[in-house]
Amino acid sequence: GQSLEQPSEVTAVEGAIVQINCTYQTSGFYGLSWYQQHDGGAPTFLSYNALDGLEETGRFSSFLSRSDSYGYLLLQELQMKDSASYFCAVTGAGKSTFGDGTTLTVKP
Amino acid sequence: DTAVSQTPKYLVTQMGNDKSIKCEQNLGHDTMYWYKQDSKKFLKIMFSYNNKELIINETVPNRFSPKSPDKAHLNLHINSLELGDSAVYFCASSQRGTGFSEQYFGPGTRLTVT
Repeated sequence: GQSLEQPSEVTAVEGAIVQINCTYQTSGFYGLSWYQQHDGGAPTFLSYNALDGLEETGRFSSFLSRSDSYGYLLLQELQMKDSASYFCAVTGAGKSTFGDGTTLTVKP
Repeated sequence: DTAVSQTPKYLVTQMGNDKSIKCEQNLGHDTMYWYKQDSKKFLKIMFSYNNKELIINETVPNRFSPKSPDKAHLNLHINSLELGDSAVYFCASSQRGTGFSEQYFGPGTRLTVT
């Protein structure tokens, strides 16, 4: 089976940097992806890591360590609009399994 | 152009009723999914179809029956609705079912069973 752990809540101030961690247990691992979901909205894709290392996309970066079964999403220069839920998802065995989500609250 | 669309957006119904949710994607993707998101925002996969064939059924009660008339459509029929079925149901699609391909989610259908 597949299981993921990520913090349930994170709070940070505007302009700060925040890191959301995700650890996983899975078989048939392809990669780790991240999705963002605003209240009342649908999940939207942010990033994907198949290999170890850091992937950067604008203010967001995602990291993966396959040997540690660990990854994180790094959000820089936080803005109020970044307040949302963030889900890590493991892809393997023909499907993606989502973590329980981390609610990020950005305060002024 | 809407990539993944679902109807209806809201559905309020009584216990015991039967209801359907429709999903369509115009992205040309091969794989479609149904997810259930409960009040705690946990997002759980229910079904996955690849080119109209069921490839994943995550121990969902058989009151839930998906149907894919073609690879652009995946509908969800629910019989004998129960209070615990209240949730937001998301349809999603991706280019392929194996390996990785980012998933595009529909806007969701908020189902309330009273």
